[in-house]
Amino acid sequence: NAGVMQNPRHLVRRRGQEARLRCSPMKGHSHVYWYRQLPEEGLKFMVYLQKENIIDESGMPKERFSAEFPKEGPSILRIQQVVRGDSAAYFCASSLKGQGNSNQPQHFGDGTRLSIL
Amino acid sequence: SQQGEEDPQALSIQEGENATMNCSYKTSINNLQWYRQNSGRGLVHLILIRSNEREKHSGRLRVTLDTSKKSSSLLITASRAADTASYFCATNTGNQFYFGTGTSLTVIP
Repeated sequence: NAGVMQNPRHLVRRRGQEARLRCSPMKGHSHVYWYRQLPEEGLKFMVYLQKENIIDESGMPKERFSAEFPKEGPSILRIQQVVRGDSAAYFCASSLKGQGNSNQPQHFGDGTRLSIL
Repeated sequence: SQQGEEDPQALSIQEGENATMNCSYKTSINNLQWYRQNSGRGLVHLILIRSNEREKHSGRLRVTLDTSKKSSSLLITASRAADTASYFCATNTGNQFYFGTGTSLTVIP
């Protein structure tokens, strides 16, 4: 009865490298959300995906960042050519139904802490 | 920004006392949710209150919602040391959740 699983828990990259963060939603959930959290701050929405579709990516930077949620496998948040400012905790959440249609909570993973050297 | 604002930013109380946190937001909402985050962990959902509800209880938690003032409060009664965490409100306006900046609660044994 696993919850939302994120891996890796910690990721260290050098400037210019690529970071790939994975998220497996709760069983039966087809809606996935990615958030970014800086120290001492709240979560900032990045992107909302449903299986094979990006529903809302208004919170994601236009360059270097991309997200996918394929038919099979986990959701991936990909950051290309990382810079020091990308250092943060990245959280994934999932829900059974889309937020616009229901009053449901989101279930969060424990995050990936990305550090850029 | 539609982001909520929690007040106070930090709160320190003795075990057994009540803790009250407030949240203000800017736009119309479908619902408002409170989450808790322990250090180094993800957020855990505590309670959801719909826009047509004014008060809701869950165990030692009591949430109120005033849509005319665009504000909500979370009351934790008879606090315990294990309640030490950061607490966030989140407003649901459709596809997105907007999280506040959080209240850091410390309960001293």
